[in-house]
Amino acid sequence: DVVVTQSPLSLPVTLGQSASISCRSSQSLVFSDGNTYLNWFQQRPGQSPRRLMYKVSNRDSGVPDRFSGSGSGTDFTLKISRVEAEDVGVYYCMQAAHWPPYTFGQGTKLEI
Amino acid sequence: EVQLVESGGGLVQPGGSLRLSCAASGFSFSSYWMSWVRQAPGKGLEWVASIREDGSDKYYVESVKGRFTISRDNAKNSLYLQMNSPRAEDTAVYYCARWYSDRSGYGDYWGQGTLVTVSS
Repeated sequence: DVVVTQSPLSLPVTLGQSASISCRSSQSLVFSDGNTYLNWFQQRPGQSPRRLMYKVSNRDSGVPDRFSGSGSGTDFTLKISRVEAEDVGVYYCMQAAHWPPYTFGQGTKLEI
Repeated sequence: EVQLVESGGGLVQPGGSLRLSCAASGFSFSSYWMSWVRQAPGKGLEWVASIREDGSDKYYVESVKGRFTISRDNAKNSLYLQMNSPRAEDTAVYYCARWYSDRSGYGDYWGQGTLVTVSS
């Protein structure tokens, strides 16, 4: 199984500052079709997960452009610029290049 | 508007059975892979099972193989998870997720979840 490792697991930030979350996979996430299947999800307290990014850097509808995804191969980053109070929650990366199983990172808890 | 509404959770004894349901609306249900993803109390996300658009292929995480069965009824726009012989470690919130299409990618919509507690 592909192991996905996030860091840090806890991320205290100051409002208005930027934050970065790293996600590393044990194998390259480039699929045979040439796409890289790495998603990012946000889970606010008491809510269901919400997809933020797909295929590394494609932002979902309604996601503020303060969120950006980057990376390739086995190394990926979610960056949040100008952190706002509504960004508090847990962030997960997930790989969908080698399945089953689909695997998630452990989650990164962002707090103000 | 895409909506996924789970139901059927509750308290079940170890070795018993429970059937979860997910009612889908707002999209062409039969055009998407669907999945169940769970989250144990205070823990992270774990993919449980996925089913192809027409139900012809099903995949499971190793820990539930032989005990859980995913199914769908495209005429009723519904997804199911039959949980047989549940164990304490299956205690979790179970989310139904619209899982994949070529255009939308993986995991773009999730339900609110239904809590399953396995305990005697």
